Amino acid sequence: DTGVSQDPRHKITKRGQNVTFRCDPISEHNRLYWYRQTLGQGPEFLTYFQNEAQLEKSRLLSDRFSAERPKGSFSTLEIQRTEQGDSAMYLCASSPGLLTYEQYFGPGTRLTVT
Amino acid sequence: DAKTTQPTSMDCAEGRAANLPCNHSTISGNEYVYWYRQIHSQGPQYIIHGLKNNETNEMASLIITEDRKSSTLILPHATLRDTAVYYCIVRALNRDDKIIFGKGTRLHILP
Repeated sequence: DTGVSQDPRHKITKRGQNVTFRCDPISEHNRLYWYRQTLGQGPEFLTYFQNEAQLEKSRLLSDRFSAERPKGSFSTLEIQRTEQGDSAMYLCASSPGLLTYEQYFGPGTRLTVT
Repeated sequence: DAKTTQPTSMDCAEGRAANLPCNHSTISGNEYVYWYRQIHSQGPQYIIHGLKNNETNEMASLIITEDRKSSTLILPHATLRDTAVYYCIVRALNRDDKIIFGKGTRLHILP
């Protein structure tokens, strides 16, 4: 399968713990996006990368959140000191870059904070 | 990006055409209409996009009104696997950053 992959698919953690998610985009896609989705809502943009450069961050991305894409390939999203309100589906997407019509989404990581 | 309005939910009988409407009365001249869908427990999937002409691909057809203030996504022969949330999105082609999703339309295909 050459689509976007995310790991883990599910994560249950206790409030206050740190979690890290990984996203592997489609090979040679230089744009990578993170979204968050809560129940009954559409996905909400968090941040995106052009290669290894983080070009935009949403106001939703508080200082407890950090995203990296160190070599312009896979990306990680870390949440420190998790809160119950962080419970959501975290989606990753990639695209080839300029003037492309679509983003290709992964299956998501479902986070539950207890 | 222009705002879109979609019905919250719709039902369609299996084998019939599913017609999903979208209003985007504030669309700008350089903005395209995109449709994505999200099947339960999966990430969103691109379906189709268009500027002002009707478009068709292997998944669906997109009909855009002449004034571009509304559009309809047509799934010609709906199957149970088409049960999903369908998002209508308006954005400029050169906007290769974030997609702004609304709540979409939850389409139920009935056997």
